[in-house]
Amino acid sequence: EAQVTQNPRYLITVTGKKLTVTCSQNMNHEYMSWYRQDPGLGLRQIYYSMNVEVTDKGDVPEGYKVSRKEKRNFPLILESPSPNQTSLYFCASSFLFRGQSPLHFGNGTRLTVT
Amino acid sequence: GQQLNQSPQSMFIQEGEDVSMNCTSSSIFNTWLWYKQDPGEGPVLLIALYKAGELTSNGRLTAQFGITRKDSFLNISASIPSDVGIYFCAGHGGKNYGGSQGNLIFGKGTKLSVKP
Repeated sequence: EAQVTQNPRYLITVTGKKLTVTCSQNMNHEYMSWYRQDPGLGLRQIYYSMNVEVTDKGDVPEGYKVSRKEKRNFPLILESPSPNQTSLYFCASSFLFRGQSPLHFGNGTRLTVT
Repeated sequence: GQQLNQSPQSMFIQEGEDVSMNCTSSSIFNTWLWYKQDPGEGPVLLIALYKAGELTSNGRLTAQFGITRKDSFLNISASIPSDVGIYFCAGHGGKNYGGSQGNLIFGKGTKLSVKP
């Protein structure tokens, strides 16, 4: 089944403890992206990647890192999480974005930082 | 960054009613997308629009790409309880858009609830 898989679905952590949220897609998509969703703010893009070893900042990249060593994986790294990073995170992928390949989303990771 | 204005923010509907929501932008887009998000899940694509003036249907859903390329609307006819959720519009400016090529911009969503 074609899908975007995120892990974990739920994560509670403490301030400053490094964490990684994994994202994997099995559709051979070049483009992958991370969003965070907060009440009243909708979906905001954190980072995206056009292909292996190519990453770029979205609208809210501060406090996050990503890597794209393989086409299928696009982990989101929080080196030193803070409470304002408590949010619902979504990974998404598509074929190389020419405006004709809609995004497929994972089911989300709900992160709480205390 | 660029933003889309999506309205209304929320709406309550009676089963069987028609629903309409829209998105506007100050910049032109080459693509408009409409997604629906159910609780606890990621957004799922409903309709994609690629040409100005395009009108596309998906079952009871109909969406249009505005002629000016700065707006889009989504209509749901004869709503049913499973239509509840959050609906997002999203737009992409294409390769030469004044932002990054990979940046798809989302509206803040329209939350649809059913009147008890």
